[in-house]
Amino acid sequence: AQSVAQPEDQVNVAEGNPLTVKCTYSVSGNPYLFWYVQYPNRGLQFLLKYITGDNLVKGSYGFEAEFNKSQTSFHLKKPSALVSDSALYFCAVRDMGAGNMLTFGGGTRLMVKP
Amino acid sequence: GAVVSQHPSWVICKSGTSVKIECRSLDFQATTMFWYRQFPKQSLMLMATSNEGSKATYEQGVEKDKFLINHASLTLSTLTVTSAHPEDSSFYICGGEANYGYTFGSGTRLTVV
Repeated sequence: AQSVAQPEDQVNVAEGNPLTVKCTYSVSGNPYLFWYVQYPNRGLQFLLKYITGDNLVKGSYGFEAEFNKSQTSFHLKKPSALVSDSALYFCAVRDMGAGNMLTFGGGTRLMVKP
Repeated sequence: GAVVSQHPSWVICKSGTSVKIECRSLDFQATTMFWYRQFPKQSLMLMATSNEGSKATYEQGVEKDKFLINHASLTLSTLTVTSAHPEDSSFYICGGEANYGYTFGSGTRLTVV
């Protein structure tokens, strides 16, 4: 079975500082990995994905994530946080050897303070 | 890019009534649509996978007769919450697969009073 862990319920960072939101995954086959952002009472907005190729993936709004196979991690990063980045972030994985459903992590609330 | 339109955005209904949520893929064909449920301050839990032209696949613990899913065409999947109860109050999100990615609707906030 596939699973995703986001070890931090909340991450606090000052505006202008770099941010990292952690994600680790477990799959039996090759993973497809995704990051989504959710604003209050809204759906999910796609940020970026890793399918294959370069381990560093660049996405929307200046976010990037690094796929690390040995550590089974896919941490989300941004060099300089904005107050408007404050939201709920979800990491998700699809196990290519187990159908096409997405499994989500528990979510991490990012709080960027001015 | 791929867009999923979900309606209604929010709905309030009385206990015992039924509510239908629609999910349309606007610019791609979704042979499969995923229905998730999200409780406050929690993650998204997959309820069921709807398949165009065939029966939906429900996750363990999800009542098939309560959460009716229909996927009659490549662009429309519906979730009907039958005989709704206050504990069904939640945020429901649908999503489809397009171009190796997943696109989600804006969600439906269901409140049963």
